[in-house]
Amino acid sequence: DGGITQSPKYLFRKEGQNVTLSCEQNLNHDAMYWYRQDPGQGLRLIYYSQIVNDFQKGDIAEGYSVSREKKESFPLTVTSAQKNPTAFYLCASSDTFYGYTFGSGTRLTVV
Amino acid sequence: GESVGLHLPTLSVQEGDNSIINCAYSNSASDYFIWYKQESGKGPQFIIDIRSNMDKRQGQRVTVLLNKTVKHLSLQIAATQPGDSAVYFCAEMMSNNAGNMLTFGGGTRLMVKP
Repeated sequence: DGGITQSPKYLFRKEGQNVTLSCEQNLNHDAMYWYRQDPGQGLRLIYYSQIVNDFQKGDIAEGYSVSREKKESFPLTVTSAQKNPTAFYLCASSDTFYGYTFGSGTRLTVV
Repeated sequence: GESVGLHLPTLSVQEGDNSIINCAYSNSASDYFIWYKQESGKGPQFIIDIRSNMDKRQGQRVTVLLNKTVKHLSLQIAATQPGDSAVYFCAEMMSNNAGNMLTFGGGTRLMVKP
């Protein structure tokens, strides 16, 4: 079955550590996205990539980094520069004409 | 699961009643609209979509209405069930130089009382 997979489901980070969240899709979608969701809030765009080897900053890119070396994969690194990283992170992918397919999310907690 | 949405507007309905969730969108040039359902601790799931050349689209128990004059979108759920309890997001698609991007509304929490 085609879909989009995020891992891990839960992730704990110590202060000052970098952590990487995985996002893989087998939908053959060109575009991929990362969103952050805080409790009681909507979705805020961190980074997006419309094509392999290219990506753009979203509204809240500071403290995050991404890569898009393969069409199927769009990992997100939460760096130590992100001072408040505890949140629910959602990855999505899309083709040109339709909406997004979302992964099941990764909950990141700073300990 | 995910924390309760303290800041989300909440709609509380009785099981079996119809629900109407409203959304105002921002860009009159948007030509594609989607409703998503997000259950606690999960990613948003597609419910129904509508393009700007339509006013109404029906699915199974759900109907989306689009009023382009006032930039308003609504989701109607017939015979609401406990499994409909979730946060509902509307989204609009606007084309830009980088391709088609979705802009999401803030979300509405639907609570269904048995």
